Amino acid sequence: EAQVTQNPRYLITVTGKKLTVTCSQNMNHEYMSWYRQDPGLGLRQIYYSMNVEVTDKGDVPEGYKVSRKEKRNFPLILESPSPNQTSLYFCASIGLAGGPRTGELFFGEGSRLTVL
Amino acid sequence: ELKVEQNPLFLSMQEGKNYTIYCNYSTTSDRLYWYRQDPGKSLESLFVLLSNGAVKQEGRLMASLDTKARLSTLHITAAVHDLSATYFCAVDLNSGSRLTFGEGTQLTVNP
Repeated sequence: EAQVTQNPRYLITVTGKKLTVTCSQNMNHEYMSWYRQDPGLGLRQIYYSMNVEVTDKGDVPEGYKVSRKEKRNFPLILESPSPNQTSLYFCASIGLAGGPRTGELFFGEGSRLTVL
Repeated sequence: ELKVEQNPLFLSMQEGKNYTIYCNYSTTSDRLYWYRQDPGKSLESLFVLLSNGAVKQEGRLMASLDTKARLSTLHITAAVHDLSATYFCAVDLNSGSRLTFGEGTQLTVNP
């Protein structure tokens, strides 16, 4: 089954304690990205990656890092989380190789992060 | 900076009625997405509109794209309670890597 898998789904942590949210897709997609969703602000892009070892900032990259060492994985790293990073995070991937769902963005189930 | 505006942001309607959600955007793009989100859930892809004049329909939902007017619409026909959700449009600036989302339209369909 085609899917984007995020872990953890829920996490409560404290300010300054480094954490990583993993994202993995099994569709051999080139593009992957991270979004955060906050009430009244919709979804905003944090980082995106167009292929292995190619990453770029989205609209709200401050306080986050990413890496793309393998095509299927795109972890989001919070080196020193702060309360304003409390949010719902979504990973997404998109394939452009042709086929009926080309150009369609697939989202993971979301990771709800609370930073105290 | 690309701006994507949806309206209305909140919509309460009765079952059986028709209504349209509008999505306006500020920069030229020929790719637009519509998503549905249920409370506490992920985003479900509804439509991908890839060219001017594109129209797609699935059940009671129909989406269209007018790239010259920078406008997409999501039309709901004979609404049913199961359509209650938040609907987002998203405009693509770079082949899927740079999506900008609207704020979302929270739809409630009352019996």
